[in-house]
Amino acid sequence: AQTVTQSQPEMSVQEAETVTLSCTYDTSESNYYLFWYKQPPSRQMILVIRQEAYKQQNATENRFSVNFQKAAKSFSLKISDSQLGDTAMYFCAFMEYGNKLVFGAGTILRVKS
Amino acid sequence: GAVVSQHPSRVICKSGTSVKIECRSLDFQATTMFWYRQFPKQSLMLMATSNEGSKATYEQGVEKDKFLINHASLTLSTLTVTSAHPEDSSFYICSASSVADRNTIYFGEGSWLTVV
Repeated sequence: AQTVTQSQPEMSVQEAETVTLSCTYDTSESNYYLFWYKQPPSRQMILVIRQEAYKQQNATENRFSVNFQKAAKSFSLKISDSQLGDTAMYFCAFMEYGNKLVFGAGTILRVKS
Repeated sequence: GAVVSQHPSRVICKSGTSVKIECRSLDFQATTMFWYRQFPKQSLMLMATSNEGSKATYEQGVEKDKFLINHASLTLSTLTVTSAHPEDSSFYICSASSVADRNTIYFGEGSWLTVV
């Protein structure tokens, strides 16, 4: 069974600085997707970024980028120029093609002014 | 973008009663819908996967008679918590994947259930 590990329960960062959230996963599959979701206090799940395993290029969405290391099964999220609105719980998730999402335990990120 | 709507967003019910939560895909047809439960400061725990027109597949440890899931159409799935107890109080979230793209998941806004 696939597992997703987020080893940082909580992190803090100063506004405008950069922070990296770590995620590792375990799978025997070669085709899959990886995701980072943001869950603010409203509890709405917001897709931050998506990476397809067969793509070597790291995905980027504005201030959010990932460092995808397939061999190491690592998928970290870098948030640049952190903003107060980035304060949320962040979940790393894995999905085989057309299957269910498997979530990590989450990392609470607090952006301080 | 695609929208998944959950209703009600908050519900309070008495112990022993049943409560239904709806999950609708508003602008796409959902092949598969997923139901999650989330406790404070914890991750989403998958309860069951439902496919339109067939029985839901429950995760280990989830009581199928307690949490009834129906997926009668390509745009609607319902979760009914039967004979609710205070320990069933939680945040419930649904998600859906579309017929057109099973690898894109859309989440509902979630429903807070409080059993008193």
